[in-house]
This record gives sequence, structure tokens and C-alpha cells, in this order.
Amino acid sequence: GEDVEQSLFLSVREGDSSVINCTYTDSSSTYLYWYKQEPGAGLQLLTYIFSNMDMKQDQRLTVLLNKKDKHLSLRIADTQTGDSAIYFCAESGVGGGADGLTFGKGTHLIIQP
Amino acid sequence: EAQVTQNPRYLITVTGKKLTVTCSQNMNHEYMSWYRQDPGLGLRQIYYSMNVEVTDKGDVPEGYKVSRKEKRNFPLILESPSPNQTSLYFCASSTQGQGASPLHFGNGTRLTVT
Repeated sequence: GEDVEQSLFLSVREGDSSVINCTYTDSSSTYLYWYKQEPGAGLQLLTYIFSNMDMKQDQRLTVLLNKKDKHLSLRIADTQTGDSAIYFCAESGVGGGADGLTFGKGTHLIIQP
Repeated sequence: EAQVTQNPRYLITVTGKKLTVTCSQNMNHEYMSWYRQDPGLGLRQIYYSMNVEVTDKGDVPEGYKVSRKEKRNFPLILESPSPNQTSLYFCASSTQGQGASPLHFGNGTRLTVT
């Protein structure tokens, strides 16, 4: 099956920008998602991008997609303590999981004061 | 409020004692799914349902059953739980499957099987 890879941990200082990276193998990807999981909670949709776009911006969040390299990134500007969470990348496509959707293992974002 | 509700939030049980985790959504979503989350393994899909009376196996279906008799409910059944099913379980729903619309997740059920 297809695969989605993310680094397990990212540590940044409060106020800096965080960049969480994701790579995927499914060349038929149509939608790519970023979800946020805070402690003790389920996953919440942060943002998503269609595969025919290369950038999407929403307030402090910027998503960049390089379809040629199958690389997706999430940039969080002015990182705050409330951004501390696990961030999951997910892609949908014909080659995806059983229902066409494949999740990465998640990146723990740690904020240093 | 639009939401996916799972019950219970926490459950401790013993090996072999049948249990059901309920999931209900109030958004009239066609698609529903169950995942388990384990350290180092991320989210793994157990079962999913594209519509009423239609269910399919995900990546890790062994030891689980589901049913979809009504659109809003998608219970997860463990007929004979074992310690390797100790995990954090999430139910999710969306307007359509195959990743074509964003998933809405419940808050999770932490299951411990001793």
C-alpha cells in the first residue's frame, strides 16, 4: 500500500515559525489534509489542500505542496504554547488505505519557552 | 452542535468479556470509520462504512466487528477482547468516503484489557 512519512518530533521556541514536513508515495493523491490532536482529544481538521494547488494560507497556517516531489509542509507562524500537539498528515487517492485515505504517524510539536 | 459522540471515554475490562463501544454522529454523514491509535504506530483503520448496511474491513480488522443499521450509529464490537486490543479508539465520520471530504473525529475511547 501507499505510505505517508513524517518526523516524530519537532521542537521550536515560542514565537518562532514551525515547519512540519510530510512525504507521501501515492501519485494519485487528490486531497491532502492536516489534522491536529491535542492531549486527551480526537483529531481536528486544521486545513486541507487539493492536489492541483501548490499553496494555501489561512491566518497563521501556510500549506505548501510540491506534487512533483510528493512533499507537503505545514508552517505555523508565531508558534504559541497552544500549538503544542500532534500533527497528522493524511492523503487520499486511489492507492491509499483500505478506503483510499492514508495517515502519517504524526509529528509531536514541542514548544520551548 | 455538530459532533461525533463515542461512549464510554474510558473502559477497563478483562480478557474474553464482550464489549461494545458506541459511536453516533448528528451530521447526516454517509461515511463512518473506526481507528485505533497506538504509540509509534499512528492511526490504523479497523473498519469503515460507506453507507447504511455497507461495511468493509480496514487495515487491522481482526478481533473486531461493526454494524451500520442506521445512518447515525456505527458501534464497534469486541466479541472476545484480548490484551493486544488495549488501545485508544477513535470513531470518525464524513459526508463521503475515500478521503474526498474531511473527517470529523470523536474524542476517543481508551480501552484497557487485562
